[in-house]
Amino acid sequence: GDSVTQMEGPVTLSEEAFLTINCTYTATGYPSLFWYVQYPGEGLQLLLKATKADDKGSNKGFEATYRKETTSFHLEKGSVQVSDSAVYFCALRGYGGATNKLIFGTGTLLAVQP
Amino acid sequence: DVKVTQSSRYLVKRTGEKVFLECVQDMDHENMFWYRQDPGLGLRLIYFSYDVKMKEKGDIPEGYSVSREKKERFSLILESASTNQTSMYLCASTPGGQGYNEQFFGPGTRLTVL
Repeated sequence: GDSVTQMEGPVTLSEEAFLTINCTYTATGYPSLFWYVQYPGEGLQLLLKATKADDKGSNKGFEATYRKETTSFHLEKGSVQVSDSAVYFCALRGYGGATNKLIFGTGTLLAVQP
Repeated sequence: DVKVTQSSRYLVKRTGEKVFLECVQDMDHENMFWYRQDPGLGLRLIYFSYDVKMKEKGDIPEGYSVSREKKERFSLILESASTNQTSMYLCASTPGGQGYNEQFFGPGTRLTVL
């Protein structure tokens, strides 16, 4: 079945460092891919998405490119801030289907130190 | 803005109690979901509903049931709470159809079963 694998955390960075959180997936057909972020004490919110191969999703300085050849959707940011400290989830929605079910990775905790 | 609310942020119950977790969304979404979130396991789907009175089992339905009598409200029921159901519970909703719609999450209910 479909699955998502993302790098284990925690990831600890200093402010202004470069961030990469790896995400790879297994799916049939052409899934849509998402990154969600969960700030402390809150629910998840959509950070960015990509719906077809070679699409780049971007938001708040974060980017991720849908790479079908490597089945990857790595999250990157050029210069992290303390306010980016959160848990990041990679997710996919399988091709077809009407219920918008998502399959989530295990989450990666990012801690940014001043 | 879409708003998904959950009845409690924190809940403490005793083993064997019947527990109700309520979720309400205000955007007329067809689909609603209940997840539990545990460290190292990410989000796991318990149940979802794609219409009033309709429900489908997710990946971990054992020990849970759901109710959807009105479109805006989706309830998760723990018939007889057990300590292994101590977790964070997240509700989400999304429009129906084949589009690439994001899921909108509530803030979560942290349930402790003693």
